[in-house]
Amino acid sequence: LAKTTQPISMDSYEGQEVNITCSHNNIATNDYITWYQQFPSQGPRFIIQGYKTKVTNEVASLFIPADRKSSTLSLPRVSLSDTAVYYCLVGPRLSYNTDKLIFGTGTRLQVFP
Amino acid sequence: EAQVTQNPRYLITVTGKKLTVTCSQNMNHEYMSWYRQDPGLGLRQIYYSMNVEVTDKGDVPEGYKVSRKEKRNFPLILESPSPNQTSLYFCASSLSRDRGSYEQYFGPGTRLTVT
Repeated sequence: LAKTTQPISMDSYEGQEVNITCSHNNIATNDYITWYQQFPSQGPRFIIQGYKTKVTNEVASLFIPADRKSSTLSLPRVSLSDTAVYYCLVGPRLSYNTDKLIFGTGTRLQVFP
Repeated sequence: EAQVTQNPRYLITVTGKKLTVTCSQNMNHEYMSWYRQDPGLGLRQIYYSMNVEVTDKGDVPEGYKVSRKEKRNFPLILESPSPNQTSLYFCASSLSRDRGSYEQYFGPGTRLTVT
């Protein structure tokens, strides 16, 4: 499974766009990229998933360059409630040998007023 | 309401006293998993189950057991808990990967302290 590297922490202010980059140099051909959000004392919550180019939903956008060795989670106009830890995961969407998942240490985003 | 429930939410126990943390989901998901979360280490997978009677080790399985006798339940068993198993535990479930889903639903967590 591909190992991921993210910044440990990031700071932002309300109303700004936040981009969190995840590095996954060893991503395999059949790997997908998934992002989760976790608030203190709660379980992680799925945000977005993608394979290549750009994916957008009502919460965030995910940008994946052609080489797929990194990805960027973009949160538009953050608010205080976006203060959380964000995890990037890389793994196969279709797995016949293992469904082991590796979360990593995540990026702690702090949004200030 | 679709959800994953865990019990107990908080537990303080002593070394060596067997305990079970229950996990139940009402979404008919095939895939279930247990994670532990420790400061600075993120979430680490303990065990997972791809369906009834099918379980496999995650990254940190030592000292834990699981069983999957029913689709909705996936209990985590600590036969002889030790202080290094003090942690925050999360159960999660999702549709099977071959149905194209990578979205996991997490329970509220169980904070375990072993003294």
